[in-house]
Amino acid sequence: DVKVTQSSRYLVKRTGEKVFLECVQDMDHENMFWYRQDPGLGLRLIYFSYDVKMKEKGDIPEGYSVSREKKERFSLILESASTNQTSMYLCASTDRYGPQHFGDGTRLSIL
Amino acid sequence: DAKTTQPPSMDCAEGRAANLPCNHSTISGNEYVYWYRQIHSQGPQYIIHGLKNNETNEMASLIITEDRKSSTLILPHATLRDTAVYYCIVRVADQGAQKLVFGQGTRLTINP
Repeated sequence: DVKVTQSSRYLVKRTGEKVFLECVQDMDHENMFWYRQDPGLGLRLIYFSYDVKMKEKGDIPEGYSVSREKKERFSLILESASTNQTSMYLCASTDRYGPQHFGDGTRLSIL
Repeated sequence: DAKTTQPPSMDCAEGRAANLPCNHSTISGNEYVYWYRQIHSQGPQYIIHGLKNNETNEMASLIITEDRKSSTLILPHATLRDTAVYYCIVRVADQGAQKLVFGQGTRLTINP
């Protein structure tokens, strides 16, 4: 079975902090994604990566950056956290043809 | 991606088969039908997908009509843990690098 592991289920940070969300997959997938999910807004793509050191902006990249130094790991960085970044963050991975597999999510609260 | 239509909510008794319908009348010939579910406060979980033949795995069965304009996800013996929002999506198979877009889905409640 595909395993996508997000480093934290719940996280509380303060406004202005730099926040790191980590995601690791164990299936040698080329593609990895970061989404956020908010009530009434559905899934929104922040960034995705199709290879090591490669990244593409999604629909809402402002305020975020990403890092993919190794194939199995994709990190999301909130450069200076703000309260409007309080959300559920979801990491997913897939190869070219398969379905996307998601982690359990990180529920991030910015105070 | 083709648009899908699902009922907003359904109920099913524990131990019975849950049959979740999805309409996708504008599906193209190279688009697959995918099903995901999301249990409250967890990440979406992939269930099954298919092109035109019926598919079965350890979680569910997928029945696609011959004209491919609709499909049904079947959970053969529903348990309380199957209570979740179920999403039907159609997309081309080699869109691995494309974002996933969920519609409103069907909120399935399994009753004891």
